[in-house]
Amino acid sequence: DQQVKQNSPSLSVQEGRISILNCDYTNSMFDYFLWYKKYPAEGPTFLISISSIKDKNEDGRFTVFLNKSAKHLSLHIVPSQPGDSAVYFCAASVGAMNTGFQKLVFGTGTRLLVSP
Amino acid sequence: GAGVSQTPSNKVTEKGKYVELRCDPISGHTALYWYRQSLGQGPEFLIYFQGTGAADDSGLPNDRFFAVRPEGSVSTLKIQRTERGDSAVYLCASSLSRDLGADTQYFGPGTRLTVL
Repeated sequence: DQQVKQNSPSLSVQEGRISILNCDYTNSMFDYFLWYKKYPAEGPTFLISISSIKDKNEDGRFTVFLNKSAKHLSLHIVPSQPGDSAVYFCAASVGAMNTGFQKLVFGTGTRLLVSP
Repeated sequence: GAGVSQTPSNKVTEKGKYVELRCDPISGHTALYWYRQSLGQGPEFLIYFQGTGAADDSGLPNDRFFAVRPEGSVSTLKIQRTERGDSAVYLCASSLSRDLGADTQYFGPGTRLTVL
């Protein structure tokens, strides 16, 4: 049972345009959501996060939107750059804000390709 | 500063053999996590250490898998009687783990295990 779903295995975008990566979840107990970026032969790198009490968090070119009623979140990258080409994982956890312990549940990832 | 390191980077073994995978967390990080990433999937939680003790080992698939962290720093994931289905990238992550709030998990590059 996949609790975190990324239905688009890949996305191609031109440099300078907006990249929108989507993620859906089924567990209404998730209270913390994260995006990780992964380059080949490296471990995932934390990108941005959002708690369930918010609906938007912005960090430079990266913005994460959370729609709790739809159990959906998205990552917007504006403007996209060739160096953003990587696999992006959506992840979620329960109870993180109370304990600090994050048993992360990951989606299957979306491969983003930004062409010059 | 130094990030999370994992050794070996690649391990090829034969079915039925025993393997040990090592993780060196970021200095001062009390929380340590092991995840497993199979081909085409996102990382899946295996076990979490807070200090020397395994606080949550609910992700270990069966009793062939065991992990230790005897001095609260380096951790070793041990797999007995390896099977072909154990082939995956094994990722280690560490975090500061404050009492409250969600801490960022920093991932190592992983160990790619191949069971022939």
